[in-house]
Amino acid sequence: ETGVTQSPTHLIKTRGQQVTLRCSSQSGHNTVSWYQQALGQGPQFIFQYYREEENGRGNFPPRFSGLQFPNYSSELNVNALELDDSALYLCASSLTGSNYGYTFGSGTRLTVV
Amino acid sequence: DQQVKQNSPSLSVQEGRISILNCDYTNSMFDYFLWYKKYPAEGPTFLISISSIKDKNEDGRFTVFLNKSAKHLSLHIVPSQPGDSAVYFCAARHAGGTSYGKLTFGQGTILTVHP
Repeated sequence: ETGVTQSPTHLIKTRGQQVTLRCSSQSGHNTVSWYQQALGQGPQFIFQYYREEENGRGNFPPRFSGLQFPNYSSELNVNALELDDSALYLCASSLTGSNYGYTFGSGTRLTVV
Repeated sequence: DQQVKQNSPSLSVQEGRISILNCDYTNSMFDYFLWYKKYPAEGPTFLISISSIKDKNEDGRFTVFLNKSAKHLSLHIVPSQPGDSAVYFCAARHAGGTSYGKLTFGQGTILTVHP
């Protein structure tokens, strides 16, 4: 059973650029969520995808967007990067209806300069 | 609006003793509460959860207690081991509506277990 894998592990971008982060869900999981974790804070919910559709969104602007593919992998896209977007981005997968914990990837560390 | 709070940024305990990590919440629309452990350069790892209709769940050295009237939960680790040293996050799962399945996390507590 493979876990959640994220790529890349680290990334440096310039303010104003666009970035795409990728996530492969754990085998058998059909729901994927993305979280942003700033330094010294807990993860903050960005959005969630189920059956390739967004079915929940946190308090993030529209320049944060995502996709879920038929194989349940996912992408997080951020346009017009700002310095405050520097954070650890975590992907989590789960099986809808399960009461077990979500499985998180190791994250992508994004630095915007 | 901090719906889940961990008011202790850090906790230090001696090996073999009990570690108690606390968490408070303000929203009554959570159906599950979860604890995660996080090491540097890794994602959060699920530890234990409790349904909002229960008041205790135990798994080996880990026990979570839920006090619904006080909107408070705690994680007990007995006995504590040096390998338990990590950041611990409390999280609450939203029960329904457009936020169904969303996890709201606390700020985390750094646990250090001394040999």
